[in-house]
Amino acid sequence: SQTIHQWPATLVQPVGSPLSLECTVEGTSNPNLYWYRQAAGRGLQLLFYSVGIGQISSEVPQNLSASRPQDRQFILSSKKLLLSDSGFYLCAWRGGQGFTGTEAFFGQGTRLTVV
Amino acid sequence: AQSVTQLDSQVPVFEEAPVELRCNYSSSVSVYLFWYVQYPNQGLQLLLKYLSGSTLVKGINGFEAEFNKSQTSFHLRKPSVHISDTAEYFCAVSVGGAAGNKLTFGGGTRVLVKP
Repeated sequence: SQTIHQWPATLVQPVGSPLSLECTVEGTSNPNLYWYRQAAGRGLQLLFYSVGIGQISSEVPQNLSASRPQDRQFILSSKKLLLSDSGFYLCAWRGGQGFTGTEAFFGQGTRLTVV
Repeated sequence: AQSVTQLDSQVPVFEEAPVELRCNYSSSVSVYLFWYVQYPNQGLQLLLKYLSGSTLVKGINGFEAEFNKSQTSFHLRKPSVHISDTAEYFCAVSVGGAAGNKLTFGGGTRVLVKP
C-alpha cells in the first residue's frame, strides 16, 4: 500500500532563517507531488507541483522554492523566512504507476510558526 | 481554470441533527469532484468522490453527496451528525488532463457539532 511521510510535524523558526520541509512517498512510482499551504482560517493554496524528477511548477510567486531530487521525494525550502510564511504546510501525492485512483493523498502536515 | 466556492465558512449543528455543506464549482469541461475532511492539526482524509455515473455518491462515516451538473454543485450531506464529525470539510475539483492533475480546493467549511 502507499504511504506518505512528512516531517517535521511542528517547527518554530526565526525570521530570516532558512527552511527545509521534506516529504517522501512509498508504494508507488512516478507520482505527481504537491505542496499546499493552509493559512489560519483560510483554505488550501497550491504552492508547487511536480510531475517528475527535477520538474517543478510554481503556482504563486512567493518566498519559497521546491525541489524533487528523487522520484518519491519532494522538498520545500526557503533561504530567508518571512512572518507571512507561517502556516500549515501539506504535502500530497496523486497518480503514479500501479495506482488507478483519482484522489490525492495527504501527509499529516507541518505547522510552521515564524517568529 | 476551475474554481470552487464553499458557501458557508462555518456551520454549527446540534448532535443527531442533519447537516448540508454547500459546494459550487466552475469549469467549462468535465470534472472530478471530491470532499475531504480535516481534523485539527492533521492532513486531509478523503470522504467521497464523484467521477461519473450515479449522481448520488456515498462515502465514509455516513456522508453522501449529490452531483448536479446543471447547477454545478456538489453538496455534502449527513442525516445525523455526531460529536466526532466536528472538523473542517473541503470540496475540491480536478479537471481531467489538466497540467499536473491539480486539485483546486474551496475555502473550507468548519462544522461544529454541539451536544
